[in-house]
Amino acid sequence: TQLLEQSPQFLSIQEGENLTVYCNSSSVFSSLQWYRQEPGEGPVLLVTVVTGGEVKKLKRLTFQFGDARKDSSLHITAAQPGDTGLYLCAGSYGGSQGNLIFGKGTKLSVKP
Amino acid sequence: KAGVTQTPRYLIKTRGQQVTLSCSPISGHRSVSWYQQTPGQGLQFLFEYFSETQRNKGNFPGRFSGRQFSNSRSEMNVSTLELGDSALYLCASSVGQHQETQYFGPGTRLLVL
Repeated sequence: TQLLEQSPQFLSIQEGENLTVYCNSSSVFSSLQWYRQEPGEGPVLLVTVVTGGEVKKLKRLTFQFGDARKDSSLHITAAQPGDTGLYLCAGSYGGSQGNLIFGKGTKLSVKP
Repeated sequence: KAGVTQTPRYLIKTRGQQVTLSCSPISGHRSVSWYQQTPGQGLQFLFEYFSETQRNKGNFPGRFSGRQFSNSRSEMNVSTLELGDSALYLCASSVGQHQETQYFGPGTRLLVL
């Protein structure tokens, strides 16, 4: 059973377009993280959201944590080829179960 | 500050062999977690070590084991390799126990033939 479902699995867009990717679960998480992974590298942390309803902005990237802390979205404005990569969301239950539960990711390709 | 390093970066083994992978965490980080990444299953948690003790373990068979040394460096071992063990093995370090901010290394790409 996949605890974190990410959609879409694949996304191919042109430079300058906007996009949103989603991360959904039936579980409540104490926090949720978004990572970007490029080929041949490990995931790099983009943001951590903790509070239900929280919105965080990182330049052209906007992250939102659902009110019930079960889902999250990542919106990219005016995508650039450098945004290409695998976007992973990961939820944590916190406390003694501090290990992260990862979704399978959204593979984004931004063409110039 | 140097990031998380993993050695080797690439490895080819045959079925039935065993393999040991190494991870050096960021200086000052005491927690190391290991993950297996495959196209079909994504990133799956293997185990977490803190102060030389295994704190959490994922749902993997006993062929997968690990340890952590007093300098926080960690190794993982896979015995009796199977074709399905082919994957990218990622190590992540964090400052303390149950620390939610993890920093990943580049991974070791293991191919089992």
